[in-house]
Amino acid sequence: GNSVTQMEGPVTLSEEAFLTINCTYTATGYPSLFWYVQYPGEGLQLLLKATKADDKGSNKGFEATYRKETTSFHLEKGSVQVSDSAVYFCALSVGTGFQKLVFGTGTRLLVSP
Amino acid sequence: DAMVIQNPRYQVTQFGKPVTLSCSQTLNHNVMYWYQQKSSQAPKLLFHYYDKDFNNEADTPDNFQSRRPNTSFCFLDIRSPGLGDAAMYLCATSREMSGQGYEQYFGPGTRLTVT
Repeated sequence: GNSVTQMEGPVTLSEEAFLTINCTYTATGYPSLFWYVQYPGEGLQLLLKATKADDKGSNKGFEATYRKETTSFHLEKGSVQVSDSAVYFCALSVGTGFQKLVFGTGTRLLVSP
Repeated sequence: DAMVIQNPRYQVTQFGKPVTLSCSQTLNHNVMYWYQQKSSQAPKLLFHYYDKDFNNEADTPDNFQSRRPNTSFCFLDIRSPGLGDAAMYLCATSREMSGQGYEQYFGPGTRLTVT
């Protein structure tokens, strides 16, 4: 079946540190990959996406590259800010017809000043 | 700004008392979704509408129903809320439901408390 595995959190960093949140996937077919961010008490916001191998999604200083050979879509940011504290969800959609979003369990990021 | 709006943001209901949550969108998207998200968990899809076609997830309890009277609005009805139904309920939309990269746009959610 289709699934997404994310690293366990919380990830605790100091401001300006480098961030990596690992995400690997299993999919039948050729998925589209997404990172969503959820700030406290809010809904999910799309952070970035990639639809084919070697595509790099980027937004607000965050990047992720679709790696088909390692079935990965790791999220990175060179210098985190306190305002980046949130829960990050990796997700995929795949298939013909209805493409359901399959989420990972989420990784909480805590950034301290 | 085009957006997904959910009302109310916080809803308190009593055990067994029917409750309705609402969602509206100005994106003119064909697909609307309802998710349930419990604390520290990923969102769980309950059902979706493609235009007026309703699609229930296999494990969605019968206690949960939905209505979509027009493109812009969608409602989640919980007929007899139990304590286990306390959660954040998220509405989302997407332009289409197939094809590459049709991301979903989420509303801010309604936090439901059952007393």
